Amino acid sequence: DIQMTQSPSSLSASVGDRVTITCRAGQSISTSLNWYQQNPGKAPKLLIYAASSLQSGVPSRFSGSGSGTDFTLTISSLQPEDFATYYCQHSYNTPLTFGGGTRVEIK
Amino acid sequence: QVQVQQSGPGLVKPSQTLSLTCAISGDSVSSNSAAWNWIRQSPSRGLEWLGRTYYRSKWYNDYAVSVKSRITINPDTSKNQFSLQLNSVTPEDTAVYYCAQQVYSYGHNWFDPWGQGTLVTVSS
Repeated sequence: DIQMTQSPSSLSASVGDRVTITCRAGQSISTSLNWYQQNPGKAPKLLIYAASSLQSGVPSRFSGSGSGTDFTLTISSLQPEDFATYYCQHSYNTPLTFGGGTRVEIK
Repeated sequence: QVQVQQSGPGLVKPSQTLSLTCAISGDSVSSNSAAWNWIRQSPSRGLEWLGRTYYRSKWYNDYAVSVKSRITINPDTSKNQFSLQLNSVTPEDTAVYYCAQQVYSYGHNWFDPWGQGTLVTVSS
């Protein structure tokens, strides 16, 4: 199984801040990496697929980068609606696995 | 626009079978460019992929090793839906269960959309 490790597990930030979340895969997965946002009591929502492709309807302040084992999700200017938990997920093979999540909190 | 809508009981007794259904609109369970997945989420296990069913000239299933002996995911083409059955449940199976479409495009795949989630509690 491919282990996905996210860091940090939580962070505090202010509106307008630039936020970066990292995800490391236990082996090379090329660009087979997706990012999701989850709000409390809701299902995860796709933000980024194939490491850097922005899902339709997702604001352009979200961006993804990386390949191989190291990936990042960046929010260029944090907005109030962005306070949520973010998960990475590899799509390289089965079993499909998720990172442990990064909770973005208001400072 | 594809939508998936889950249904099923929120309370299951230990040793019994957990059964959930996911109804699909806007796509076909027999699509050659999709797979239909069940994922669960709990504080102790995080987001855990359980398995999927998909059609590529014939039906296939993939299951997570952790539940492989207890799980069945079936398509229902007449109702355009798919189901999850998890046998011999214990309190450790208590979680929010999600269905999700796995979209395939240009050599990549991702989960979208997701169902609304069903909190299933295993308790007597």
